[in-house]
Amino acid sequence: AQSVTQPDIHITVSEGASLELRCNYSYGATPYLFWYVQSPGQGLQLLLKYFSGDTLVQGIKGFEAEFKRSQSSFNLRKPSVHWSDAAEYFCAVGPRAGNNRKLIWGLGTSLGVNP
Amino acid sequence: GAGVSQTPSNKVTEKGKYVELRCDPISGHTALYWYRQSLGQGPEFLIYFQGTGAADDSGLPNDRFFAVRPEGSVSTLKIQRTERGDSAVYLCASSPGQGASDTQYFGPGTRLTVL
Repeated sequence: AQSVTQPDIHITVSEGASLELRCNYSYGATPYLFWYVQSPGQGLQLLLKYFSGDTLVQGIKGFEAEFKRSQSSFNLRKPSVHWSDAAEYFCAVGPRAGNNRKLIWGLGTSLGVNP
Repeated sequence: GAGVSQTPSNKVTEKGKYVELRCDPISGHTALYWYRQSLGQGPEFLIYFQGTGAADDSGLPNDRFFAVRPEGSVSTLKIQRTERGDSAVYLCASSPGQGASDTQYFGPGTRLTVL
């Protein structure tokens, strides 16, 4: 079965601390991988995506993610968190080919930031 | 330019009633997607349009749900005989339509409450 697991429902970090949000997937074949952020009252915004090539991808707002095929993981990282990063983060995977565009989403990780 | 817009932002209806939710995609985007997000969950895929046709409607939960995109731009999600379990935020996204690697751009959503 296709699924995305985000093991951490909620994480709180101090401002300036480093961050890692975990994402594991089960998909059959290697999918396209995405991280989105959802802030209160705002729509989902793409942080970064991985299709091929360098397994370390850079995104917006200083975020990066590393694809590890052997672990079926795509963890999101940020070296120094800002208070404005407090939001809900979603990992999603999708097919590489065909007419199917169905993204499979994790349940999300809520990030709190202490001043 | 303008992003994806959705109207209404909130809709309260009574069980058994019919509702329509509207999505205006980014101009020029040929692909359009509908998702449903329940509280504490990630988005759940409903349907994907490429142009005027539904390329993948595998996520529609039952025949009470129907979506159209008659001119390849604006889309309407229609729900008949609403049930309390239909209460959720309905998200619309659009993308350029260049393939599976497209970035999906999300609207702010319509919060549907069925009393």
